[in-house]
This record gives sequence, structure tokens and C-alpha cells, in this order.
Amino acid sequence: GAGVSQSPRYKVAKRGQDVALRCDPISGHVSLFWYQQALGQGPEFLTYFQNEAQLDKSGLPSDRFFAERPEGSVSTLKIQRTQQEDSAVYLCASSSGRGGTEAFFGQGTRLTVV
Amino acid sequence: QQQVKQSPQSLIVQKGGISIINCAYENTAFDYFPWYQQFPGKGPALLIAIRPDVSEKKEGRFTISFNKSAKQFSLHIMDSQPGDSATYFCAASMRAWSGYSTLTFGKGTMLLVSP
Repeated sequence: GAGVSQSPRYKVAKRGQDVALRCDPISGHVSLFWYQQALGQGPEFLTYFQNEAQLDKSGLPSDRFFAERPEGSVSTLKIQRTQQEDSAVYLCASSSGRGGTEAFFGQGTRLTVV
Repeated sequence: QQQVKQSPQSLIVQKGGISIINCAYENTAFDYFPWYQQFPGKGPALLIAIRPDVSEKKEGRFTISFNKSAKQFSLHIMDSQPGDSATYFCAASMRAWSGYSTLTFGKGTMLLVSP
């Protein structure tokens, strides 16, 4: 596709429910990042994939958060037993090289936990 | 500990004026400093970026000024237009041991350009 595509755009989950957020990066992009953006804040790094390898998951806030990119293209961020503090916009970004400096962001998935 | 501090939180500028947003960083290992523009409901979009080997970079109406000794950098928007009204984020990154870079963002500045 022309850009990074994320789905769903909006997700409302009841507390305790599991959710899965999808990211389709720009075709051929090696690097894929997930960021979390709380209301009124800048994005914060969650995890990084280089092709199918998850090289950095230091930003994942708890073991309820899990990400995968099994074939080196589409990625899924899964949150188990959602809590209210998980409410945020989840942004996916991709870049063509390993560097990740010129990253292109998707529109994000706004997750609201009620 | 906030590694990238951004100010002001919000800014109102008249059409045709100059918008100035400032950022300061702590980690001297940062080697790439981009600015992102974000419209409501959209993801951040790269606007302009600079590396610490130059003190200024200009692209159209947008200029980054970089002061390595002070660990500060700023975005100047000349001839500000209502269409520039958005939230602006500064960011910084450094290359990890395995070659990739992750972005550390400031908290953002909400710019409103009045007609």
C-alpha cells in the first residue's frame, strides 16, 4: 500500500478483555516499530522488529503486552486483560532500512478501556 | 526522567508571523533530531530533521537551529499559515548496538495560527 495501515482505527474494550491491533507496514520495509501515545503526550517506544525478529521490547509496559511479526511484514500488538491505563493511541511506524530514523507512521489505533 | 524537554506547551501565532518551538536534550549520544507534525486523528509525519554536525537546516518555511554545546534545538516556522495549525513534536534518537534507532519524543507543542 501507499502508507502504513493500522486497524481497527478505534477499539473499545471492557476491562479484562484481550485486544489485538494490526499494522500493515509499507511494503518492503525492514524495520517496524510500535509506539504508545497517551492523550496530550508524545509517542513512547514500545517495541522494534527487524524483519521477523523482535530486537527490542524494552518499552512494553507489562507482560500483558505482546507483539509479533511472524513473516516479517504484518505485525500484531496484543494486549491481554486490558486495564484502564492501557487507554491510548497505539502507533505503528516502519522504515526501509535498519536505521529507523526516517520512520513513517500509521494513523494509529485509539484504544479505550471502559 | 524526561530525556527530551519541549516548550512551550501551546502557542498562538498570527498569520504571517514566526512560530518558534524549543527542545532540550540530556543524552549526548543522540545523533539525529527530527521534528514531526501531527494533525488530529493522524499519525506523526516527519517534517524536517538535523544531525549534530550542522548548526542549521532549512527546508522551505521550516528551519531547525541546533546548538550542540547547549544541547538545544529549535524549529522556526516562517510566514506561519492557518494550515500549519497542528501539534509539533521534537524527537531525538541514537543508534543502538545492533544498528537500529528508536525515537524519544518531547511532549509536544500545540500550534494555532490565527487567520
